[in-house]
Amino acid sequence: DSGVTQTPKHLITATGQRVTLRCSPRSGDLSVYWYQQSLDQGLQFLIQYYNGEERAKGNILERFSAQQFPDLHSELNLSSLELGDSALYFCASRRGGSSYNEQFFGPGTRLTVL
Amino acid sequence: DAKTTQPTSMDCAEGRAANLPCNHSTISGNEYVYWYRQIHSQGPQYIIHGLKNNETNEMASLIITEDRKSSTLILPHATLRDTAVYYCIVAWYSSASKIIFGSGTRLSIRP
Repeated sequence: DSGVTQTPKHLITATGQRVTLRCSPRSGDLSVYWYQQSLDQGLQFLIQYYNGEERAKGNILERFSAQQFPDLHSELNLSSLELGDSALYFCASRRGGSSYNEQFFGPGTRLTVL
Repeated sequence: DAKTTQPTSMDCAEGRAANLPCNHSTISGNEYVYWYRQIHSQGPQYIIHGLKNNETNEMASLIITEDRKSSTLILPHATLRDTAVYYCIVAWYSSASKIIFGSGTRLSIRP
């Protein structure tokens, strides 16, 4: 158990819909990262937040957005869903200010778009 | 794009040492080498990291060549539970650094 929690574990929805994925980082961790893992793309970095502020951006689509709240939990919002958005979505957290980049990953949310 | 090159797959007998190679010829002086693994569809798990010295922890050893252009992850006594995809990553240690996962090496441990 990494200490990072993600809800829900599974999500099935239809094309065109909007969903919200939630992540609670480990206690004391200030950074939250979001990743997408699909069969044909591997593990792709989407976005990072540090203490409420966006810090780094990867290949995140404009239909996707994220935020980190004052209690440090984070939400990833996916809208106008397409079949190709079906994937595992992982959240990871990291203790800010540490001298290395060890990230602790949650169990993931499996999104299926029908 | 990932800055590392790893074999697509490897296998190893249970109880033997598993040696997983990684090439990172364009690594810069401030970049660390990190290893993660992903068992089935679970979240990736951090294994070890290093800058230029060899490192060892309870899970594995990391050997980095003197020119830092390649490294080897060593699992000293592989078990069936070590079957996973192993990712070698180079990244800065700043709080804004991204971890770019490549394709990794699928390691199969045979009984």
